[in-house]
Amino acid sequence: EAQVTQNPRYLITVTGKKLTVTCSQNMNHEYMSWYRQDPGLGLRQIYYSMNVEVTDKGDVPEGYKVSRKEKRNFPLILESPSPNQTSLYFCASSLSGAGGYEQYFGPGTRLTVT
Amino acid sequence: GQNIDQPTEMTATEGAIVQINCTYQTSGFNGLFWYQQHAGEAPTFLSYNVLDGLEEKGRFSSFLSRSKGYSYLLLKELQMKDSASYLCAVRIFNAGNNRKLIWGLGTSLAVNP
Repeated sequence: EAQVTQNPRYLITVTGKKLTVTCSQNMNHEYMSWYRQDPGLGLRQIYYSMNVEVTDKGDVPEGYKVSRKEKRNFPLILESPSPNQTSLYFCASSLSGAGGYEQYFGPGTRLTVT
Repeated sequence: GQNIDQPTEMTATEGAIVQINCTYQTSGFNGLFWYQQHAGEAPTFLSYNVLDGLEEKGRFSSFLSRSKGYSYLLLKELQMKDSASYLCAVRIFNAGNNRKLIWGLGTSLAVNP
């Protein structure tokens, strides 16, 4: 089944404790992206990757890191989480960043930083 | 700046037709997407428009007018399961000539029996 998987689905952590949210897709997609979704602010892009070893900042990259060492995986790293990073996070992938290709979203990771 | 406007909330009756509007002020337009998002779930793709006109896909249709910076999503024969948030997203070319998606805040549609 074609899908984007994220882990963990739910995470409660404390300020400053490094964490990684994994994202994996099995569709051989070139384009991958991380979003956060907050009430009243909608979906905001954190980072995206056009292909392996090619990443770029989105609208809200501060406090986050990403890497794209292989095509299927695009982990999101929070080196020192803070309470303002409490949010719902989505990973998404598409065949290409161009054209009318739809983005497939993972199920989401609900992160709480206390 | 880049801006997308959608109504915050709409209500409609089962079996009816509803039109959800999206207006945008952006530069370097490169396509418009509509996504559906049920509460607590991930967005799912509905439609894509890059040229002016109407794209029809079953009960859902999407229209685009690039000169007016305007799109709408038309949902026919509404069903209870259509109660969801509908997100309009515009793809632009940014300063580095990379493609970027700008997302609206979404329209929450409630379908009543």
